[in-house]
Amino acid sequence: DAGITQSPRYKITETGRQVTLMCHQTWSHSYMFWYRQDLGHGLRLIYYSAAADITDKGEVPDGYVVSRSKTENFPLTLESATRSQTSVYFCASRETGTGVSEQYFGPGTRLTVT
Amino acid sequence: QQPVQSPQAVILREGEDAVINCSSSKALYSVHWYRQKHGEAPVFLMILLKGGEQKGHEKISASFNEKKQQSSLYLTASQLSYSGTYFCGTTSTGGGNKLTFGTGTQLKVEL
Repeated sequence: DAGITQSPRYKITETGRQVTLMCHQTWSHSYMFWYRQDLGHGLRLIYYSAAADITDKGEVPDGYVVSRSKTENFPLTLESATRSQTSVYFCASRETGTGVSEQYFGPGTRLTVT
Repeated sequence: QQPVQSPQAVILREGEDAVINCSSSKALYSVHWYRQKHGEAPVFLMILLKGGEQKGHEKISASFNEKKQQSSLYLTASQLSYSGTYFCGTTSTGGGNKLTFGTGTQLKVEL
């Protein structure tokens, strides 16, 4: 299916475990982003990527790792999950790097760390 | 720093108008507006660029005051379907490609 997908949609994990959230887009967009959404904070940028093998930190990168070996995939890994990482995670993609193109969001992954 | 949105929440009767504001402390290049319904992903509404260019839906209007680094979203003749949380996202001049989002404005339209 065309578009941007995330998996899993729901995940419960224990403190200290490693967990990877997947993001896949079919548009061949250059830019991809990971946000977390928490009540009272809106959407905060974790990491973003301008192209395959090019990534950069956002506002709240601590505790997260990303990679982008292929244009269409942008996985987000929590190396050792903490309760403070309980959140809804949204992946997004955008065609261009400037502010002139809209961003498309995936459906989100609701992560609970116990 | 995140842009500041106001009001934080608003309740409207169907048919009423509303204005949502977004302000930043940085020199802005673009302002994006998104709407998110409960349990869903944010959906694009509009982009406003420095210099006056706009891209977006026909039924939604917005303004961008470059001098004040402010944008306003105008929702007229509101419908029940307008309910949701509205986010502004900004890119700053010389700030690269990152969209920084505000904390959102919750809008509820009632009969």
